[in-house]
Order: sequence, then C-alpha cells, then structure tokens
Amino acid sequence: GAVVSQHPSRVICKSGTSVKIECRSLDFQATTMFWYRQFPKQSLMLMATSNEGSKATYEQGVEKDKFLINHASLTLSTLTVTSAHPEDSSFYICSATGLTTPGLFFGSGTQLSVL
Amino acid sequence: AQSVTQLDSQVPVFEEAPVELRCNYSSSVSVYLFWYVQYPNQGLQLLLKYLSGSTLVKGINGFEAEFNKSQTSFHLRKPSVHISDTAEYFCAVRRNYGGSQGNLIFGKGTKLSVKP
Repeated sequence: GAVVSQHPSRVICKSGTSVKIECRSLDFQATTMFWYRQFPKQSLMLMATSNEGSKATYEQGVEKDKFLINHASLTLSTLTVTSAHPEDSSFYICSATGLTTPGLFFGSGTQLSVL
Repeated sequence: AQSVTQLDSQVPVFEEAPVELRCNYSSSVSVYLFWYVQYPNQGLQLLLKYLSGSTLVKGINGFEAEFNKSQTSFHLRKPSVHISDTAEYFCAVRRNYGGSQGNLIFGKGTKLSVKP
C-alpha cells in the first residue's frame, strides 16, 4: 500500500521556538494532505486540509498564523508550529490521498513536547 | 455534528480469546464508518469501512464489524486474537456527502493489549 513518512517522530523544544514537522508521500502523488492533532485522552481532530499548490483550509478554532502549512509539492507537506508554547504539546499526525491513489494514508505521527 | 464514542480506553485480553471493541456514534445525517489501527511506531492504517450494503463488514487480519443503525453502533470484533493484534484502534465517521475524505471524526481510541 501507499506509504506516508512523517518526521520527526518526537520533538522536545523550548517555549517560544518554532518546530517544523514533515509529511512525505513516498510512492504516490499526494494531491491532498490533512493535519490532525490529538491532545492527551482526547480524539484526533482535523486541523487543516491542504491541496498542493494552494493555501491550506483551517478548521474552526485553529490559528493559521500559528500553524503554518506548506504543500508546495505533490510529495511533501510541512506543518510549522510557530512560537510554540506548552499548550501546543500534542500528538500531530498527517494523512494524504491522491487522485490516482484512492484511500487515506497516515503518517506515524509526531509527539511534540514544549517545555 | 457528528461524534464518536469509544467506550473502552483499554482492553486487555488473553491470546486466542475473542474480543469486541465498542464504538457508538451520533449523527443527524448518514455517515460512513471506519476502523483504523495503529501499531506501535507506525501510522494509522485502515482496518475496515462501512459505506453501504451489507451491515457486516470484514476487514484485514480477521477483524469484522457490524453496523447497527438502530443502536448507532459499529463494534469491532475478532473471534481469536493474536499477540500481534496489540495496537490502538480508532473508530471514525465521516458524512457520506460533501466534505473531504480527510474530514473524519475520530473516537479517542482503544488500546488492545493481548497477553500470552
């Protein structure tokens, strides 16, 4: 099946720094990528949808200036958490789908801890 | 709006025993239903899905789920589990019209631990 690679798997950073998370489709062209986050003991929640070459569409309540999403190529999307704070500590996971690759394929997730 | 409730956060079970992971949903519109599995250090992968037709859906690795509209449930079952089934299982729903494929509403997950 299609593979989505997400890096890093775990990151610890100081408050105020920015963190970039990468999501790559290894063997298919991902026309659409999705970013989710999961707070402890909560459900995975969709944060934003990004189509290659377009601006991301953010879900209600997600700050677009804080969570910068770039989907400049058909195989790579990045999520940058700018000026991270402890309340941004969460599990972030991406998924991708392509026009010729039906289905939704997930990365392995990134555990972000902001000190 | 849709919501998903997974009633058990953790389910310990012995190898070769049967298991049922419960999932209930609420929605004012028709939905598609999914079960995803996440093995340690891996991404979520689709276990099975219900879109329409037969209410009993068979998935990978011997799992099956039954859609019960009257009880708004989509419980996941396996008659005999293996150690390798140890993972976290997520139930999810999506509206069956409009929206995008990734706009899933997830439950909080159930950690299945299979003991020898």
